[in-house]
Amino acid sequence: KQEVTQIPAALSVPEGENLVLNCSFTDSAIYNLQWFRQDPGKGLTSLLLIQSSQREQTSGRLNASLDKSSGRSTLYIAASQPGDSATYLCAVSPMDSNYQLIWGAGTKLIIKP
Amino acid sequence: GAGVSQSPSNKVTEKGKDVELRCDPISGHTALYWYRQRLGQGLEFLIYFQGNSAPDKSGLPSDRFSAERTGESVSTLTIQRTQQEDSAVYLCASSSYRGPGYEQYFGPGTRLTVT
Repeated sequence: KQEVTQIPAALSVPEGENLVLNCSFTDSAIYNLQWFRQDPGKGLTSLLLIQSSQREQTSGRLNASLDKSSGRSTLYIAASQPGDSATYLCAVSPMDSNYQLIWGAGTKLIIKP
Repeated sequence: GAGVSQSPSNKVTEKGKDVELRCDPISGHTALYWYRQRLGQGLEFLIYFQGNSAPDKSGLPSDRFSAERTGESVSTLTIQRTQQEDSAVYLCASSSYRGPGYEQYFGPGTRLTVT
């Protein structure tokens, strides 16, 4: 059974720092991995989607990497800003289910001004 | 364009009452999903619709939970005889079904509190 783990559960850093969020999954048979951002009362926003054949995706100050063989993904945030404060979730699309996403519990990020 | 919308945004109900949660997907999206997120936990899959049929209801926690969808439009998640453990944020997502690994777009969620 696919399980997704995110470490740390919470992270607080000063504004301007670069930071890395981690996501691990137990079964490498996935179609893709997605990183989402969750703001209170605003649902989920998709940040980056990495297909299983890709190694990384970039969007602005965000870079997500995928090492499928080791079951790991990282989300790198450069030059963090207070507006980056949110909960970050990763989810995998397993090959034994072509619609269901399996989710980590999230990392709550606080960027201190 | 309009995204996925959900109503109500917040619902407080007494234990034992029935509640209905509504989801309006993005127009033209054939697939619709319901998830539940308990405090401090990841999302749990509840049910998936392709059109108005539900190929997989395995995530529904008990027979108190049911869902329906009208065509490729609105979906309603109904919880009967609510219990305190039903308190959670219920999220709806839709996608344009093109095969495995397509992107899901999420609504803002309904926060359900059972007192």
